[in-house]
Amino acid sequence: QQQVKQSPQSLIVQKGGISIINCAYENTAFDYFPWYQQFPGKGPALLIAIRPDVSEKKEGRFTISFNKSAKQFSLHIMDSQPGDSATYFCAASRSQNDMRFGAGTRLTVKP
Amino acid sequence: NAGVTQTPKFQVLKTGQSMTLQCAQDMNHNSMYWYRQDPGMGLRLIYYSASEGTTDKGEVPNGYNVSRLNKREFSLRLESAAPSQTSVYFCASTWGVSRGGETQYFGPGTRLLVL
Repeated sequence: QQQVKQSPQSLIVQKGGISIINCAYENTAFDYFPWYQQFPGKGPALLIAIRPDVSEKKEGRFTISFNKSAKQFSLHIMDSQPGDSATYFCAASRSQNDMRFGAGTRLTVKP
Repeated sequence: NAGVTQTPKFQVLKTGQSMTLQCAQDMNHNSMYWYRQDPGMGLRLIYYSASEGTTDKGEVPNGYNVSRLNKREFSLRLESAAPSQTSVYFCASTWGVSRGGETQYFGPGTRLLVL
């Protein structure tokens, strides 16, 4: 069964809007929660990551919100731009060799 | 630095054929990984190598073998390809020095079609 559930599958946002992608996990042993960004024909690249000792992390227009009690975390993209159009994957890890990925969200930002 | 490189970029196989996917990293990373990416499934770990000389099974190892040739190179072999192995394969690497998760650096992928 999928240990990390991601929603929505696809998302269309107008330029300048806020994009929100949600993930939920089951295993409370997870202690590292990254988000990866993938452009067509490319490999995923780390966008931002958080550890469960903080509830929020912000890097530029990208923010992770983390709710440990609800076992949920989300990615917020402020002032979304057409260049942000990509597939986004959340993930959760409890060790070097046990990274579990969500199914991905295809984001389209319309100009 | 090239980062993580993979060859080939694209391959078509017939059922039963074998092939080896190559991966190399120039970041002096200790740990390397092979994932497959399928629509609606995210990325799933096939095999990993925590350090030179060691390899272990991941979530979906059946039908695959791996070799950690040296610190830089980690290859994935399909001995007898099946249509279910049609996928995009990604190699990744990390420093592998912390107990918890670390940033994984991914290659550009190999798109494999098995007929």
